[in-house]
Amino acid sequence: DAKTTQPPSMDCAEGRAANLPCNHSTISGNEYVYWYRQIHSQGPQYIIHGLKNNETNEMASLIITEDRKSSTLILPHATLRDTAVYYCIVRVAPGNQGGKLIFGQGTELSVKP
Amino acid sequence: GAVVSQHPSWVICKSGTSVKIECRSLDFQATTMFWYRQFPKQSLMLMATSNEGSKATYEQGVEKDKFLINHASLTLSTLTVTSAHPEDSSFYICSARDLENEQFFGPGTRLTVL
Repeated sequence: DAKTTQPPSMDCAEGRAANLPCNHSTISGNEYVYWYRQIHSQGPQYIIHGLKNNETNEMASLIITEDRKSSTLILPHATLRDTAVYYCIVRVAPGNQGGKLIFGQGTELSVKP
Repeated sequence: GAVVSQHPSWVICKSGTSVKIECRSLDFQATTMFWYRQFPKQSLMLMATSNEGSKATYEQGVEKDKFLINHASLTLSTLTVTSAHPEDSSFYICSARDLENEQFFGPGTRLTVL
């Protein structure tokens, strides 16, 4: 699975958009970009995933560059409860039994009042 | 949504004893489950992959005789930490893969070995 690079930490003001970047320059054509987050002392929570098109759900938006070498997770209106470590992971497509979720160091997002 | 539970949520044990942690998929069948370990201020580290009815596959550096994994049914996997020592104290997290190959995580088990 391709390696990802994320900034170790970011701050965001409550109510503002949080934009979390991720570099995955060695991503393969059959690898998806997944985002999970982990609130302190809890299990990881799925946020969103995509292949090459931008994706949006009730939690966030995922913007993937045209060359697929980087992506940005956007939390449109961050709240204090969004304070967590955010992990960007690339893995083979759903449906392929070989794909394992390997976690990097992630970005620790602090949402401040 | 798919729910994965773990039991216990926390456990304290004496050095040298064995501890069993259960991971259950509550509303779906999981042919594959994963066990992770997380030390304070660190990321999750994949320990092993367990497939229902077969032996677990351990990641490099993880002792299979130390961390016994059993995946006896499509909804239950267990991790037994044998002869636990203080350095085994950690946050253990399981995840389960559903039939659409999406992974869902349990809430974690905090193990403290005295």
